[in-house]
Amino acid sequence: GDSVTQMEGPVTLSEEAFLTINCTYTATGYPSLFWYVQYPGEGLQLLLKATKADDKGSNKGFEATYRKETTSFHLEKGSVQVSDSAVYFCALQNYGGSQGNLIFGKGTKLSVKP
Amino acid sequence: DGGITQSPKYLFRKEGQNVTLSCEQNLNHDAMYWYRQDPGQGLRLIYYSQIVNDFQKGDIAEGYSVSREKKESFPLTVTSAQKNPTAFYLCASSISGAYEKLFFGSGTQLSVL
Repeated sequence: GDSVTQMEGPVTLSEEAFLTINCTYTATGYPSLFWYVQYPGEGLQLLLKATKADDKGSNKGFEATYRKETTSFHLEKGSVQVSDSAVYFCALQNYGGSQGNLIFGKGTKLSVKP
Repeated sequence: DGGITQSPKYLFRKEGQNVTLSCEQNLNHDAMYWYRQDPGQGLRLIYYSQIVNDFQKGDIAEGYSVSREKKESFPLTVTSAQKNPTAFYLCASSISGAYEKLFFGSGTQLSVL
């Protein structure tokens, strides 16, 4: 079945460092890909998305490019801030699968130190 | 402001007890969902509902029940049959057919006494 694999955390960075969180997926067809962010004690928020190959999603300085050839959707940010500390989830939605069912990765916890 | 409200934020369950988690939305969304989150794990779908008076089992429905009598409300009952209920429970909603974006509540942490 469809699945998402994320790099294991936690990831600890200093402020202004470059961030990459790897995400690869397995799916039939042409899924949509997402990054969600969860701040401490809160629910998830959509960070960015891409719906077809070579699309780049971007928001709040974060970017991710849908790479079908490598089945990847890595999250990047050029200069992280303390306020970016959160858990990041990669997810896919395959329109051929169960309606409404997002497949989530296990999440990667990011801690940014001043 | 529109959004999803989950209550309570923290809930404790005694052995053999059923407990109900509340989820209310004022976004006029047709679809609602319940996810379970365990530490270090991704989210797993428990139940979802695309329309009032209809719902489907997700990947881990055993030991849970839901109802959808009103568009705004999708309560989740954790029954005594759920032997490992301690987890963070997240409710979400979306415009029906627009599976691209889920709006999440702030969650309920359920623990067993």
